[in-house]
Amino acid sequence: EAGVAQSPRYKIIEKRQSVAFWCNPISGHATLYWYQQILGQGPKLLIQFQNNGVVDDSQLPKDRFSAERLKGVDSTLKIQPAKLEDSAVYLCASSLGTGGPYEQYFGPGTRLTVT
Amino acid sequence: SQQGEEDPQALSIQEGENATMNCSYKTSINNLQWYRQNSGRGLVHLILIRSNEREKHSGRLRVTLDTSKKSSSLLITASRAADTASYFCATPPLGTSYGKLTFGQGTILTVHP
Repeated sequence: EAGVAQSPRYKIIEKRQSVAFWCNPISGHATLYWYQQILGQGPKLLIQFQNNGVVDDSQLPKDRFSAERLKGVDSTLKIQPAKLEDSAVYLCASSLGTGGPYEQYFGPGTRLTVT
Repeated sequence: SQQGEEDPQALSIQEGENATMNCSYKTSINNLQWYRQNSGRGLVHLILIRSNEREKHSGRLRVTLDTSKKSSSLLITASRAADTASYFCATPPLGTSYGKLTFGQGTILTVHP
């Protein structure tokens, strides 16, 4: 079974530039998550999708971050404009659904460095 | 806000020894999950325990949950060098989506050969 795919794996940009990350979840997984993990901390949930609808985006900095999952499969997360404090690993995860507690499967992440 | 906090922050043991990590959380929960993260395999789910369960086993892992104390522990028996990783507990606070996991800061486990 193929895992969660993410690209790119690494990205270096200057502050005020924009960047986009892509995620393809495990086939058949209805729920997709984006997390931000700052060095030395646990992952923080940014946004949760159920199919192509948003379930929770309460921790997404909406003035600069946006995410979409147009066809209920893959997803993109965008930052515009980036700040130094956005330097982190961005993890995508998927799970079967939200109807019960399910384990989440994580991708390898995208390491973003903002200079 | 942080729901779970792991203790200790770092743990160093010899291969073959047991490792115990603790997690405390703030609000009532429906379930609690443990994850492991290392550079080789990324973040991987280890075990899920529901609020009506007190103990759960999976191979060399044993997880306990005490909802009265709002705490959980993860025991790794007969540790191996490959167990070297960061371990996180994660919970969705009661009343939120099952998927809204809040992770602690993690325990860094180092197992020396």
